[in-house]
Amino acid sequence: QVQMVQSGSEEKKVGTSVKVSCKASGYTFNRFGVHWVRQAPGQGLEWMGWISTYNGNTIYAQKVQGRVTMTTDTSTDTAYMELRSLRSDDTAVYYCARGDSSSWPPVHPLFDYWGQGTLVTVSS
Amino acid sequence: QSVLTQPPSLSGTPGQRVTISCSGSTSNIGSYLVYWYQHLPGTAPKLLISKNNQRPSGVPDRFSGSKSGTSASLAISGLRSEDEAHYYCAAWDDSLSGQVVFGGGTKLTVL
Repeated sequence: QVQMVQSGSEEKKVGTSVKVSCKASGYTFNRFGVHWVRQAPGQGLEWMGWISTYNGNTIYAQKVQGRVTMTTDTSTDTAYMELRSLRSDDTAVYYCARGDSSSWPPVHPLFDYWGQGTLVTVSS
Repeated sequence: QSVLTQPPSLSGTPGQRVTISCSGSTSNIGSYLVYWYQHLPGTAPKLLISKNNQRPSGVPDRFSGSKSGTSASLAISGLRSEDEAHYYCAAWDDSLSGQVVFGGGTKLTVL
């Protein structure tokens, strides 16, 4: 069965970086892109970006552009999301989700399998 | 301020039919397919409606989606207590180099 298993909770200081992993299993990794979505406390879902697991193409949300890098390791079927220059408003649960394909642009936000979520807490 | 506009909250009684609206523009809903997600506290969101009106396997037919112009809606009939959750619409938006946009979410309370 398809699974997306994320790394554990992180506590970070303002100005530092965090890297969250998402290991996929149960399907052919390079056929489906991976999206990252976060939810801050008391807020709604916010899309952060997408990476093609086929060729590494990425597209990032304007809000985090310049601070985020999404990568994949096809040898371990793992996707990564690194967020730099952390601010207190980056405190959120971060989810990876399987997209519908690895083709650019990812115009279909069809997230059929999700990771369990990773809580990232940023404090001063 | 979300690009897609949803009512923040809605309530209904068991057995009732409720509709959640999602309003956008020509750069998102007006040009692209709409998706709906159900989110229960402490769990990952669940895909409820795909491509405007398609139910993934396992989603009860009490849930239905529709789209007209730059707006979409999610209808839930035969409301049940387990339907109490947050609901989000999502679509691609081709402004600002393109990105996925979510609605602000609607908290559905089953009275």
